[in-house]
Amino acid sequence: QSALTQPASVSGSPGQSITISCTGTSSDVDDYNSVSWYQQHPGEVPKLMIYDVTNRPSGVSNRFSGSKSGNTASLTISGLQAEDEADYYCSSYTSSSTVIFGGGTKVTVL
Amino acid sequence: VHLAESGGNLVQPGGSLRLSCAASGFTFSSYAMTWVRQAPGKGLEWVSDISGSGDSVYYADSVKGRFTISRDNSKNTLYLQMNSLRAEDTAVYYCAKGAGGYVVYYMDVWGKGTTVTVSS
Repeated sequence: QSALTQPASVSGSPGQSITISCTGTSSDVDDYNSVSWYQQHPGEVPKLMIYDVTNRPSGVSNRFSGSKSGNTASLTISGLQAEDEADYYCSSYTSSSTVIFGGGTKVTVL
Repeated sequence: VHLAESGGNLVQPGGSLRLSCAASGFTFSSYAMTWVRQAPGKGLEWVSDISGSGDSVYYADSVKGRFTISRDNSKNTLYLQMNSLRAEDTAVYYCAKGAGGYVVYYMDVWGKGTTVTVSS
């Protein structure tokens, strides 16, 4: 199964909002409300930022929000800060009872 | 909640390796667990997961038939037996906790990873 499709890079200035898309198929993103997003700083462990499309774990800033429409999920970062510069990965449960990740998006704060 | 992987090493192509993940701080048997890997400079790749009871296991096509996931709930430990290793299996292997007991919909806690290098 091919990876979910994410843009390779997204950039924005401090204070701006950016959105990262994650496109799947009817066998994953479109079929389940089980999309999650992970943040990974260089050399560090991935961190869960969003689960079940829209939910934030305790401790994650409310500047991070998730949504989904059909087979495309999105992560929006509002009020962009320097510390948000990292790689972001989406993930979805699939109809094959497996998990699939996106290729990752590098977020650059200009 | 803490996960600590071990067992990563340099191994020759065709060789075998067993990774372990020691869990603490939660009721291990109540949660599905997963292995995720990341090749050097690449993205995350889901490898396998196992239900809390150990009755249900799932694998990525890239490792099916070569890797075996298992768990010992009496020891709070997750394993990944890797056989017939290939160069493309070179990666950091992360152990992660699922949020439910049966399947891994998302991973809410991650270990620091253990490095597997397959090379002659």
